[in-house]
Amino acid sequence: AQTVTQSQPEMSVQEAETVTLSCTYDTSENNYYLFWYKQPPSRQMILVIRQEAYKQQNATENRFSVNFQKAAKSFSLKISDSQLGDTAMYFCAFMKRVGNAGNMLTFGGGTRLMVKP
Amino acid sequence: NAGVTQTPKFRILKIGQSMTLQCTQDMNHNYMYWYRQDPGMGLKLIYYSVGAGITDKGEVPNGYNVSRSTTEDFPLRLELAAPSQTSVYFCASRREALDYGYTFGSGTRLTVV
Repeated sequence: AQTVTQSQPEMSVQEAETVTLSCTYDTSENNYYLFWYKQPPSRQMILVIRQEAYKQQNATENRFSVNFQKAAKSFSLKISDSQLGDTAMYFCAFMKRVGNAGNMLTFGGGTRLMVKP
Repeated sequence: NAGVTQTPKFRILKIGQSMTLQCTQDMNHNYMYWYRQDPGMGLKLIYYSVGAGITDKGEVPNGYNVSRSTTEDFPLRLELAAPSQTSVYFCASRREALDYGYTFGSGTRLTVV
C-alpha cells in the first residue's frame, strides 16, 4: 500500500514571495504519477501540477514547479511570486501507473497555505 | 460541458436515516469514483466503477452502497446514517485506465446528527 505524508499542516507566505510545500511518499512501485491538487474554500479540487515518475525532468506550470527526488521519495511544490488567490489547502497525491481502473489517488493530509498581503 | 455534477451540495441527516448522493458526468468517462474527505484530512476512496454494471470497493466502503446502471450516473447510498459518516463527499471521473486526468465534482457536505 502507498502512503503520502505532508509534514506541514499550515504555512504562510507574503504576497510575491516564494514558498515550498513538502511531500514524501512510500511505495514499492516503479511507475507512478504524483500530483499536487489545490482546494480553495469553494471545495473544488483543482489539479495544479503532475509528475510522471519515469521522467527525470521536474514538471513546471507557470509559477508552480516541483522538486522530484525519486530515490528519496520526495515531491515538493514550489510556488513563486505567491498571489492572494493561492490561499488554499494543497494536497499531494500518488497514483500507480498500471492499466487498472482501481488505481485510486492516495492523498496526503494536506497543507493549508495562507498568502498574506 | 458541465463536467461532474453532484447533488445536493449540503445535507443534514439524523442518525439512522438514509439518503442517496447523486453524481452525474457528461464527459462519457468510463471510470467513476466516490471519495470522502474528513475535516483536515485528505480524500479516501469509498467505491469505484469501471463502467456500467461494474462496481468495486475502495478503502472505506463500510456503510455505503453504489450502483452504476448508466455511464453517466454513479449514486452513493447511505442506508443507516451514523455520525462517523459526517464528511464531505466527492465524486470524480476519468476517461480510461491510464488517464491521470481526474475530474472532481464540487462535493456534498453531509452532517449526521
